[in-house]
Formats: sequence, C-alpha cells, structure tokens
Amino acid sequence: DGGITQSPKYLFRKEGQNVTLSCEQNLNHDAMYWYRQDPGQGLRLIYYSQIVNDFQKGDIAEGYSVSREKKESFPLTVTSAQKNPTAFYLCASSIEAAPYNEQFFGPGTRLTVL
Amino acid sequence: AQKITQTQPGMFVQEKEAVTLDCTYDTSDPSYGLFWYKQPSSGEMIFLIYQGSYDQQNATEGRYSLNFQKARKSANLVISASQLGDSAMYFCAMRGHNTNAGKSTFGDGTTLTVKP
Repeated sequence: DGGITQSPKYLFRKEGQNVTLSCEQNLNHDAMYWYRQDPGQGLRLIYYSQIVNDFQKGDIAEGYSVSREKKESFPLTVTSAQKNPTAFYLCASSIEAAPYNEQFFGPGTRLTVL
Repeated sequence: AQKITQTQPGMFVQEKEAVTLDCTYDTSDPSYGLFWYKQPSSGEMIFLIYQGSYDQQNATEGRYSLNFQKARKSANLVISASQLGDSAMYFCAMRGHNTNAGKSTFGDGTTLTVKP
C-alpha cells in the first residue's frame, strides 16, 4: 500500500534536547511538507521541499531543521532553540508543489516537552 | 502573501440536512488552487475537494461541492445530506503558483457537529 508513515506516534522530550521526527513516503512524490498544529488551530507550514536536496522555510521555521537527501524521506529536527515545541506535527507529500496537486498526509506525531 | 479565513469556529447541522462551511482567501498570485480537508478526532487529514482558480465550473465530489466565487474571493464547502460520520474539523487551504509556489496556507478550521 502506498502512503506516508510518520514515527513515532507519540514522543516525549526533555527541555534542551533535540529530537528528530521521521517521515517516509512511497508515493514517488517530489514535494514534501512539514506542518505544526496546536490544539484547536489550523496547520502552519514549517518547511517544504520541492525536490531532493532542496528545501525552503515556511512560515514558522525558527527552531526547526530538515534535510532531503532521499526522495522518500524528509526528517524534521526540533532543536532546543524551539521555545514551545509541544504540538502535533504532520508530514505531507504531493506529486509536485503545484497549485493543483492535493497533499497526502501522514498520521502525525504528537510531541510533548516535559 | 496568502491568507485563508474561516469565520465559523463551530457549526451544528441536523443529520440528512445540508451545511455550508465558509472560506475566504487572499493572495497576490494570479493562479492558485483551493482545497478542503477533513480532520476527524484521530488527527489524520483527509483530502475532500479541489478548485483551481481558472476552473469555470464549481468542483463536486460526491456529497461535497465547492461554491467558488472568484470576485468575492470565497470558496465555501457545501456538504449535502449530512451523516454522523461527517462530524470533524474542516480546513480550507490554498497554494499559489508564482510567488507562493509550493507554500500551502491553511485556515483555522471549522468544527462541524452532526446531530442525530
């Protein structure tokens, strides 16, 4: 089955620690995205990548970093510089970053900072 | 810059009735796409319907239709014959072609509750 997997589903982190969220897709999509969702709110774009070895900052990139070394993988690192990292993180992909392509989402990772 | 506004934090509808969820947008791109997604309590995001800025006809997908009024910059979602399983959060989103290529912007969502 084609789709997007995110791991882990729940993640707990101590303050001051970096943590990496995994996102893998087997849909052969060129574009991948990371979003943050706070309770009762919409999705905010953290980073996106239109092609391998290239990525751009979204609206709330500070305190986060990404890499895109392989087409199918787009890991997100939440660094200690992110002041309020507790949130629900969603990864998505689309065939390409064109306005007419819908995004397919993974199941999400819920990060809690203790 | 692009912006999505959903002015209804919560909506109620009786089972089997139709409901309209509002969405207005703003963008500097002449070409863009508008999307609606459903998010059940499980957290997954489910794509519902797409409307292109140059599409002449309103999009329809089963019980979902999009009332696209370009001059008013609105893209309202209409759900016909509501079902209990439609209870969820609904998000309107857009993606531009030029200055906002690749960037997706989401609204704050509307929580829909279908009453039996």
